[in-house]
Amino acid sequence: AQSVTQLGSHVSVSEGALVLLRCNYSSSVPPYLFWYVQYPNQGLQLLLKYTSAATLVKGINGFEAEFKKSETSFHLTKPSAHMSDAAEYFCAVTSDTGRRALTFGSGTRLQVQP
Amino acid sequence: NAGVTQTPKFQVLKTGQSMTLQCAQDMNHNSMYWYRQDPGMGLRLIYYSASEGTTDKGEVPNGYNVSRLNKREFSLRLESAAPSQTSVYFCASSGLGQYGYTFGSGTRLTVV
Repeated sequence: AQSVTQLGSHVSVSEGALVLLRCNYSSSVPPYLFWYVQYPNQGLQLLLKYTSAATLVKGINGFEAEFKKSETSFHLTKPSAHMSDAAEYFCAVTSDTGRRALTFGSGTRLQVQP
Repeated sequence: NAGVTQTPKFQVLKTGQSMTLQCAQDMNHNSMYWYRQDPGMGLRLIYYSASEGTTDKGEVPNGYNVSRLNKREFSLRLESAAPSQTSVYFCASSGLGQYGYTFGSGTRLTVV
């Protein structure tokens, strides 16, 4: 069984400040981890993914995430927030076995203040 | 360059009515998925199809049926809609050996 917990349903930062969105996972087998972004009234867009290569993963729009097995975490960061980063962010997990369907966290809405 | 196409984008149903949500992908992907998105609950898997001709239940299959018509198309049917099925529905697909999905833009369904 696998699950994802996203700490904080809403996060607010100032423009130019560090963005940190937290994700912890549970998986009985080595996980593959993802971050997706959803802008209002749109589908989900892949930001980045961890598939057992480098533990520090760089994605689009200046985002990156670090896989920490000892902490079962995959937190998303961006050094400097832009107004255009305001969206909802979802962490997801799957494994290399079985159905490979993604299990999603409940999402974190990021608000960027001018 | 369409990716995953869902129709319709919006729909209002009365309780007890039936409807089919359509999904088609043009990326030659083997696997297709239906999720529903509800506030504060993320996305939950309804049904998936690992390959043409196969379907399987996800986390929340009750009240839904699916058909994998061919490799491109995967439809979701509500036989007797209930207010609890008010949600945003997303179709997604993934290719062989790939991890992660390509999503459609969603269908916003309201059952009154």
